Amino acid sequence: NAGVMQNPRHLVRRRGQEARLRCSPMKGHSHVYWYRQLPEEGLKFMVYLQKENIIDESGMPKERFSAEFPKEGPSILRIQQVVRGDSAAYFCASSLLSGGSKRDTQYFGPGTRLTVL
Amino acid sequence: AQKITQTQPGMFVQEKEAVTLDCTYDTSDPSYGLFWYKQPSSGEMIFLIYQGSYDQQNATEGRYSLNFQKARKSANLVISASQLGDSAMYFCAMRELSTGANNLFFGTGTRLTVIP
Repeated sequence: NAGVMQNPRHLVRRRGQEARLRCSPMKGHSHVYWYRQLPEEGLKFMVYLQKENIIDESGMPKERFSAEFPKEGPSILRIQQVVRGDSAAYFCASSLLSGGSKRDTQYFGPGTRLTVL
Repeated sequence: AQKITQTQPGMFVQEKEAVTLDCTYDTSDPSYGLFWYKQPSSGEMIFLIYQGSYDQQNATEGRYSLNFQKARKSANLVISASQLGDSAMYFCAMRELSTGANNLFFGTGTRLTVIP
């Protein structure tokens, strides 16, 4: 399966702990996006990365959240000192190119469901 | 203002019938892309169909077609010959090209239930 991979699928953390979410893009894709989905809502953009670069982090909370996409390995979304309000589904998407055409379609992973106790 | 509006929280359709899911969008960017995604109960987001703002014809992908009315800023999804497996949440999304933004703006979704 050459789709977008995310792990873990489910993650439970207690308040104050750290959460690390991993995303491996589709083969050949170098553009990665992270979105958050609160219950019964649509997805909200968080951050857009290319290899070793954060291109757009306009949707990221200013504190506790960070993302990286290293030269080797998956993209990581890191949430420090988690709070109950961080409970959500976090989706990673990847695209071949970056733009608004069909070729730039973002393909999504299965998501990570984060529960903060 | 909402960039993507989906006014139907829930829709029901009889199996084998067609159904239209509404989506209106708001942008001043002349160049944009419109996308529909399906989210079944298992939670993954599945890409269905794409429409570009300069495309002359409505997009079609199998049983999915997009009723694109540019002047009205609407991009309704039409599912023909509904199947039980079509029961899911459906999200409309837009990406603006000229602004340089790379993210998708999503609507709040429509929950479709196919009745046997």
